[in-house]
Amino acid sequence: ILNVEQSPQSLHVQEGDSTNFTCSFPSSNFYALHWYRWETAKSPEALFVMTLNGDEKKKGRISATLNTKEGYSYLYIKGSQPEDSATYLCASPLRGAGANNLFFGTGTRLTVIP
Amino acid sequence: ETGVTQTPRHLVMGMTNKKSLKCEQHLGHNAMYWYKQSAKKPLELMFVYSLEERVENNSVPSRFSPECPNSSHLFLHLHTLQPEDSALYLCASSQVFGESGANVLTFGAGSRLTVL
Repeated sequence: ILNVEQSPQSLHVQEGDSTNFTCSFPSSNFYALHWYRWETAKSPEALFVMTLNGDEKKKGRISATLNTKEGYSYLYIKGSQPEDSATYLCASPLRGAGANNLFFGTGTRLTVIP
Repeated sequence: ETGVTQTPRHLVMGMTNKKSLKCEQHLGHNAMYWYKQSAKKPLELMFVYSLEERVENNSVPSRFSPECPNSSHLFLHLHTLQPEDSALYLCASSQVFGESGANVLTFGAGSRLTVL
């Protein structure tokens, strides 16, 4: 993998369902993996930054895990609520482009149906 | 004012116009960024000013010209743009500590640009 990739592109879930999506990134020269939430008509907001293999972060019903050896991160949302509807972006620095310059995936657009 | 402020929020311009987008951060950060969001594409990193150094994405056309007069202000000068340059332009800032890659970005609300 040469870029940051996310799947699925979009997801519809019922209120109360739990869900998860994936971010893949180059595992060589890894620095950090970021997750952001982007609600419609708002700015992207940081959720988590993870740097160590095996890192797990949690904020309320949202959690994330990191596997730097295989180059993937999962974002989990437990008991989805309509206010969780947003696009979830992951980002990572890419080899040769500077450790502090983040490259984003295309995002996973989550819609939670009441 | 708090956070990252971008003006104008919306801009419509002809292909022969010259305009500028402005970004101001009130967070005391030492790095500022321009990203471009086109439909169905990932956020594209255009320019970075970090610790007074400029980094640019070589794929960005020269009709986009950044300027960072100080650590709090960032401009994107636009001239002879093309309709395909229509997009949402996001400014962000962060506090860079060494080479950790863990600097969190704070984004502005974006400037929606339409080129006719």
